[in-house]
Amino acid sequence: AQKVTQAQTEISVVEKEDVTLDCVYETRDTTYYLFWYKQPPSGELVFLIRRNSFDEQNEISGRYSWNFQKSTSSFNFTITASQVVDSAVYFCALNPYNTDKLIFGTGTRLQVFP
Amino acid sequence: EAGVTQFPSHSVIEKGQTVTLRCDPISGHDNLYWYRRVMGKEIKFLLHFVKESKQDESGMPNNRFLAERTGGTYSTLKVQPAELEDSGVYFCASSQDERGGADTQYFGPGTRLTVL
Repeated sequence: AQKVTQAQTEISVVEKEDVTLDCVYETRDTTYYLFWYKQPPSGELVFLIRRNSFDEQNEISGRYSWNFQKSTSSFNFTITASQVVDSAVYFCALNPYNTDKLIFGTGTRLQVFP
Repeated sequence: EAGVTQFPSHSVIEKGQTVTLRCDPISGHDNLYWYRRVMGKEIKFLLHFVKESKQDESGMPNNRFLAERTGGTYSTLKVQPAELEDSGVYFCASSQDERGGADTQYFGPGTRLTVL
């Protein structure tokens, strides 16, 4: 079965706190891709990152960082020094091998309070 | 460059009526996808066009849903007749072929459909 689990339904933090959003995936494929999207209140899904299964290097982009661990089938997302503008629903998605369909988790709603 | 656009943003219809959703992909993107999110559940794949051809329609729930992409530009998704369980947010995405792996799909703002 191919599946993405985002166990955290909702997280609330105060501005400037660090926060980690968890993503655990299931697939039997050895080649696959993982994505994170952000859905702000305006509704559109904003692409954040794409990672292939052969690249386990962690990635940092400004205050955002991603930790990919194949051994635990996890692709976690950390926001450092969170800001109110980070408030959104965040989706993790899996793109299995030889298909173009994305399999999404149920999303994590992040609320950052001033 | 304009992103993926969808029309309408909201639609409220009664059970049994017909609704047509439209998606305009990013210019030059051959791949167009439809997804749906029902009541706080995960976003689920419906189908994938490559230009005007249906590449994968394995996610279409039943034959009340009809998707078209005439001319390989914009796409429409028609629901006829609509049922209560069709309520949700319908997302469209587009991508261009990226050599060496999965394409990055860029999403529109979605159409919120409410069936009463």
